[in-house]
Amino acid sequence: GIQVEQSPPDLILQEGANSTLRCNFSDSVNNLQWFHQNPWGQLINLFYIPSGTKQNGRLSATTVATERYSLLYISSSQTTDSGVYFCAHAGNNRKLIWGLGTSLGVNP
Amino acid sequence: EAGVTQFPSHSVIEKGQTVTLRCDPISGHDNLYWYRRVMGKEIKFLLHFVKESKQDESGMPNNRFLAERTGGTYSTLKVQPAELEDSGVYFCASSQWGPTDTQYFGPGTRLTVL
Repeated sequence: GIQVEQSPPDLILQEGANSTLRCNFSDSVNNLQWFHQNPWGQLINLFYIPSGTKQNGRLSATTVATERYSLLYISSSQTTDSGVYFCAHAGNNRKLIWGLGTSLGVNP
Repeated sequence: EAGVTQFPSHSVIEKGQTVTLRCDPISGHDNLYWYRRVMGKEIKFLLHFVKESKQDESGMPNNRFLAERTGGTYSTLKVQPAELEDSGVYFCASSQWGPTDTQYFGPGTRLTVL
């Protein structure tokens, strides 16, 4: 079945640093989403990005569907960026298949 | 516009008891999904409603789990009887029909079975 692998599993940054999170998936993409789970457990939608590049403030994401990967860029990181970042994707059946996440800590 | 809401936020029960989780989707969203995250593992799909109909329940772990969405609005997920391995965080999500199936998630219900 579809598999999603995320890397790195853990990441510690100093405030102001940039980072790139990666998501590899094993099947064709109809729906690729990035989420941020904040320290309170809430899953916040970041991007719906089955292909191409999108930017939202300090965050941007790129999905290269033909090569089956997606990247999430965080620039000028802030302590509020801490939490777990998930990517998830779905085929035609709409159910999201999730990676294990990247746990990000940003130190002041 | 209100987001997806879930109740309760936390539930602690003993093995063998019954628990009912509730999800209120975003108004107008026909699609409603339940997911679960067991500690240390990935978030897993449980089932998908389209309005009041179960579109896909392939992720439901066993017949101790019963999901309903009467009237196509809110949904409940009942676990009866609860077992230790049912502990985890249960997420609900909703989405509209359309080419971009962006799923919006509730805050989750943390279930602990002792």
